[in-house]
Amino acid sequence: TQLLEQSPQFLSIQEGENLTVYCNSSSVFSSLQWYRQEPGEGPVLLVTVVTGGEVKKLKRLTFQFGDARKDSSLHITAAQPGDTGLYLCAGAGHFGNEKLTFGTGTRLTIIP
Amino acid sequence: IAGITQAPTSQILAAGRRMTLRCTQDMRHNAMYWYRQDLGLGLRLIHYSNTAGTTGKGEVPDGYSVSRANTDDFPLTLASAVPSQTSVYFCASSAQGAPNTGELFFGEGSRLTVL
Repeated sequence: TQLLEQSPQFLSIQEGENLTVYCNSSSVFSSLQWYRQEPGEGPVLLVTVVTGGEVKKLKRLTFQFGDARKDSSLHITAAQPGDTGLYLCAGAGHFGNEKLTFGTGTRLTIIP
Repeated sequence: IAGITQAPTSQILAAGRRMTLRCTQDMRHNAMYWYRQDLGLGLRLIHYSNTAGTTGKGEVPDGYSVSRANTDDFPLTLASAVPSQTSVYFCASSAQGAPNTGELFFGEGSRLTVL
């Protein structure tokens, strides 16, 4: 059973559109990270959220941590081809096992 | 360029052969990790090390072993490769291990195919 479920698994949209991807769990996490991975490379950290209800913005990307710290979302405004990649959420602090647990990933394609 | 270096980049291996994936970091990070990435399953932790001289089992450790003789190196060994170990393997490091893991820095991956 995957601890962190991401949806959708695949998303393909036109440049300029808005989108939201989700990261959900039945478990509480002390913090949650979002990574982006491009083909042939390793994941790169985008943001870490640690407080329930926290919202962080990174240019056109808005990250939110759920009030109960069980879920998170990533919203991209006016998507650009450079946003294409695999987005991974990773949670820390599940049931005393503090190592990061990665979600299943959302593969995003922005069509020019 | 500072970071994580993995080798080889890709390898095709016959089942039953022994294989070691190498990982070196130059950031003096305490913690290092090995993940495998498979389509639809995300990144799964194989083994980790919170500091030189110590190692621990992750989510999918069977068939793999690691060592951490010094801060910089964290090799992953497949003693007798099987086709189910076909995957992309990522080495990562973080300044601290659990519980304050912080940001993970990843290598570029090693694509392993076991026939």
